[in-house]
Amino acid sequence: GQQLNQSPQSMFIQEGEDVSMNCTSSSIFNTWLWYKQDPGEGPVLLIALYKAGELTSNGRLTAQFGITRKDSFLNISASIPSDVGIYFCAGQLRTGGFKTIFGAGTRLFVKA
Amino acid sequence: NAGVMQNPRHLVRRRGQEARLRCSPMKGHSHVYWYRQLPEEGLKFMVYLQKENIIDESGMPKERFSAEFPKEGPSILRIQQVVRGDSAAYFCASSPNNEKLFFGSGTQLSVL
Repeated sequence: GQQLNQSPQSMFIQEGEDVSMNCTSSSIFNTWLWYKQDPGEGPVLLIALYKAGELTSNGRLTAQFGITRKDSFLNISASIPSDVGIYFCAGQLRTGGFKTIFGAGTRLFVKA
Repeated sequence: NAGVMQNPRHLVRRRGQEARLRCSPMKGHSHVYWYRQLPEEGLKFMVYLQKENIIDESGMPKERFSAEFPKEGPSILRIQQVVRGDSAAYFCASSPNNEKLFFGSGTQLSVL
């Protein structure tokens, strides 16, 4: 089945630093999504990407859909303490049914 | 517009009992998905339903687990004869168009 490899598994950074995380897969996806999960809560959608090569921003967040459609990255600029949480990438495939596959998550810790 | 509502937030069951988890999708959303999350892990797809129909249940254990999304009322994830390994956070998500998924806050199931 399809699998997403998300890295790094965790990051410890200083407030103000920029952050980069990515997802790769051996499968081609039609859509990439990036979610953030706060402790004890459900994931919240941050950015959705629909076209290969697409670069989309949402405030301090920027994400790109890889040209090969097998990867995506998420950048966070000038991190702040409330950026702490788990960031998940998710790939969607539209052939022969539908399923959203999630990566294992990147745990971000921000030191003030 | 209320978000995806899950209840209960926390559910404690003894081994052998039944667990019923409820999910009310966002207004206008006819697609419902259930995911399971173990501590320190990502979200594992269980089942995808669209009003009264199970579209994809490939991630759901064949025994003891069932899901429904009736014409009226919430979607129900039912786990019969629970075992300790069923302890996890169960997240429901809904979508209006099978693209962006909007998650509830989850039900934390603890099996004693």
